[in-house]
Amino acid sequence: GIQVEQSPPDLILQEGANSTLRCNFSDSVNNLQWFHQNPWGQLINLFYIPSGTKQNGRLSATTVATERYSLLYISSSQTTDSGVYFCAVPGNNFNKFYFGSGTKLNVKP
Amino acid sequence: SAVISQKPSRDICQRGTSLTIQCQVDSQVTMMFWYRQQPGQSLTLIATANQGSEATYESGFVIDKFPISRPNLTFSTLTVSNMSPEDSSIYLCSVVRGSSYEQYFGPGTRLTVT
Repeated sequence: GIQVEQSPPDLILQEGANSTLRCNFSDSVNNLQWFHQNPWGQLINLFYIPSGTKQNGRLSATTVATERYSLLYISSSQTTDSGVYFCAVPGNNFNKFYFGSGTKLNVKP
Repeated sequence: SAVISQKPSRDICQRGTSLTIQCQVDSQVTMMFWYRQQPGQSLTLIATANQGSEATYESGFVIDKFPISRPNLTFSTLTVSNMSPEDSSIYLCSVVRGSSYEQYFGPGTRLTVT
């Protein structure tokens, strides 16, 4: 299967700071998703980003498919950004998804 | 997008018993999946729920322990059988709709086995 690695595993920020989360994958993929899992366990779709750059408010994401990585940028972080961020890619046969181990973010007031 | 509901949202069960989790989607979807997330861990795929046929299980998961049904294109159930404390996890269903292959998750079922 496809290996998906996320870094850093843990991140502590002061409110207002910026951060970059990284997702590396071992094989070419047709799409990539970023999710935020809030403290209640709900997985929220952040970005569906096969390639290029997308922005949504304070968050943006860039995927460079040819180099097999994606970045999630969080600017002016808020306490509500706390939680775990996952990236996921589909398998070659589109019959399953592969998840990274996640980045646990803690934004302190 | 997709609106997905799961029942129950949480439960506390005794070892040796079984629990059936329901996943309902607001409209037809291409694929449905069941995941397990143990405390502090990433998501692990249990199986793909196939409409009208047996589910496709991942390595380490068997039908006797995690029977799955998918009678139509909007509904699926996962049963956790003969539970032990090691089954304490969040169980999540997810769906894929359309050709973009974008995945959406239900709110999850938080299971505690005592």
